[in-house]
Amino acid sequence: TQLLEQSPQFLSIQEGENLTVYCNSSSVFSSLQWYRQEPGEGPVLLVTVVTGGEVKKLKRLTFQFGDARKDSSLHITAAQPGDTGLYLCAGAWEGGGADGLTFGKGTHLIIQP
Amino acid sequence: SQTIHQWPATLVQPVGSPLSLECTVEGTSNPNLYWYRQAAGRGLQLLFYSVGIGQISSEVPQNLSASRPQDRQFILSSKKLLLSDSGFYLCAWSVGAGVGETQYFGPGTRLLVL
Repeated sequence: TQLLEQSPQFLSIQEGENLTVYCNSSSVFSSLQWYRQEPGEGPVLLVTVVTGGEVKKLKRLTFQFGDARKDSSLHITAAQPGDTGLYLCAGAWEGGGADGLTFGKGTHLIIQP
Repeated sequence: SQTIHQWPATLVQPVGSPLSLECTVEGTSNPNLYWYRQAAGRGLQLLFYSVGIGQISSEVPQNLSASRPQDRQFILSSKKLLLSDSGFYLCAWSVGAGVGETQYFGPGTRLLVL
């Protein structure tokens, strides 16, 4: 069974602070996605990374894909209350077909004003 | 642009009653379609996926079933609901397979079985 582990599971910080959340596996991804989900809504795609070492930026969010394509991180600079939500990573495994996307359990992030 | 719809948004059903949740996608052809269940602390659990009309793959044995009567329509059903079927059900679509696949989610259906 291929697993995606996300850490931390819960994180509560003050507005303006920086934070990093992680997504790790012992297996190699062909691609990895990060999603943000708000209560009662479906996950919304933030980014897809496919190349080892790749870094993508989305405003104050920086996504990094590990060189070996086994891990990824999401760094938020100067967090704002609007960043509050559940952050999910999902990996597509090498050789996987249409069903090849596995989700982590997510990081619950709360940004306090 | 592509859009995905789910209904109903919220559903309260008694144990033993039937279930039918519908998902439709607009703006794309021959999508891969997925049903997930999300329970607190357990992440997203893939229930079914479909790569074409009438083609359904089940990931988890259970009392649920799925059907794809049309290219962009995916239905989740049950003949008799269990308490354990309560949860947040998400439909998603993607195109292609393998490297770089990304899934796009609908707004979800909150199901409460009493």
